[in-house]
Amino acid sequence: EVQVVESGGGLVQPGGSLRLSCAASGFIFSDYWMSWARQSPGKGLEWVAHVRDDGSEKYYLDSVKGRFTISRDNAKNSLYLQMNSLRAEDTALYYCARVGRHPYYYALDVWGQGTTVTVSS
Amino acid sequence: DIQMTQSPSSLSASVGDTVTITCRASQGISSRLNWYQQKPGKAPKLLIYTASSLQSAVPSRFSGSESGTDFTLTISSLQPDDFATYYCQQTYSIPFTFGPGTKVDI
Repeated sequence: EVQVVESGGGLVQPGGSLRLSCAASGFIFSDYWMSWARQSPGKGLEWVAHVRDDGSEKYYLDSVKGRFTISRDNAKNSLYLQMNSLRAEDTALYYCARVGRHPYYYALDVWGQGTTVTVSS
Repeated sequence: DIQMTQSPSSLSASVGDTVTITCRASQGISSRLNWYQQKPGKAPKLLIYTASSLQSAVPSRFSGSESGTDFTLTISSLQPDDFATYYCQQTYSIPFTFGPGTKVDI
């Protein structure tokens, strides 16, 4: 079964750090770009970042650029999101998602169930 | 950034109805428009990609179309399982923005 499973969410104080992980299974992880998206009541669904299949290209939402780092370990079939200098507005349910290959043109075709990040003092 | 709007924000329908949801992009996005379905407490699910291509295993009552910067998701013969929130997303340029969603309820 093709699936991705997130972990690592939690409660963190403003200015703190958190590292999210995503374990992939059921497909050849190294063949796919991967993405993080988030959802909050205030901002709806937001694309956060994505990374090329070999890790050589990374793209970010402007509001997280310089604070968040997306990375992957193809040997471990894992995707990560290192989040630093967290702000209250980063509070959301964070999803790991697979980026569909051609002809999907970056549509997110497999999603995890999400991990909750709460930034609060 | 490309802004995505959706209308209506919510609608009420009955089983068997045909439902149409519209998504508008603030600029041309060359068919790079996807539709997702989300049920409460669940992750979004891809329904349609590149404006009109049906994702594998998605029922054929779902269809997508486009006219310029306007995109439409049509659900023919609405089924009980279709009551959910629907989002559009453009993947033409970064950041890949989503619409605010359309809630379809009974």
